[in-house]
Amino acid sequence: EPEVTQTPSHQVTQMGQEVILRCVPISNHLYFYWYRQILGQKVEFLVSFYNNEISEKSEIFDDQFSVERPDGSNFTLKIRSTKLEDSAMYFCASSDWGNVDGYTFGSGTRLTVV
Amino acid sequence: GNSVTQMEGPVTLSEEAFLTINCTYTATGYPSLFWYVQYPGEGLQLLLKATKADDKGSNKGFEATYRKETTSFHLEKGSVQVSDSAVYFCALSEGYSGAGSYQLTFGKGTKLSVIP
Repeated sequence: EPEVTQTPSHQVTQMGQEVILRCVPISNHLYFYWYRQILGQKVEFLVSFYNNEISEKSEIFDDQFSVERPDGSNFTLKIRSTKLEDSAMYFCASSDWGNVDGYTFGSGTRLTVV
Repeated sequence: GNSVTQMEGPVTLSEEAFLTINCTYTATGYPSLFWYVQYPGEGLQLLLKATKADDKGSNKGFEATYRKETTSFHLEKGSVQVSDSAVYFCALSEGYSGAGSYQLTFGKGTKLSVIP
């Protein structure tokens, strides 16, 4: 069964450093998403991406965050200058026609900022 | 805004016990409701869904009924197995929220451990 792959599974970074989280969505999917879950809190929507541009973003997704689909297969989330409060599990998801029923999630990247 | 509240975990049950995980929601419109499950080391997987009031979603022995009057979508299973040990997330979507996007609003998740 097709799956969404996220790398790395766990990343530790120093405060102020840039970090890039990588995702390989399902190949024929057109819509891409990032969610995050701070430990003990809710899974929160960050951003959605369609047709090579951001289609929607939450208040969390400020200027420190950016997304990119650099080569037609990868979908990346960049955090420019990490803060302690960016420590969380980050989930990538993709869907083929935007309907939430069709979401496939990756297994997540646990980001720890020290 | 939308929100989902689910019971705090962790929940520990013996095999074959009855499971209920409570979930209530707040939404401005008429959302679709979902339960997602995350097994250890894996991604979030859709377990079941209901798209309108009084609908019952079911899958793998799990059931949940969309109750508009109580704004609830409680997850139940009559007889749990060790393999059901996972984190369960209740979620809602109000559908098309922007160009090509269906945002999900999640609860905090409830960790279930089933012991033999």
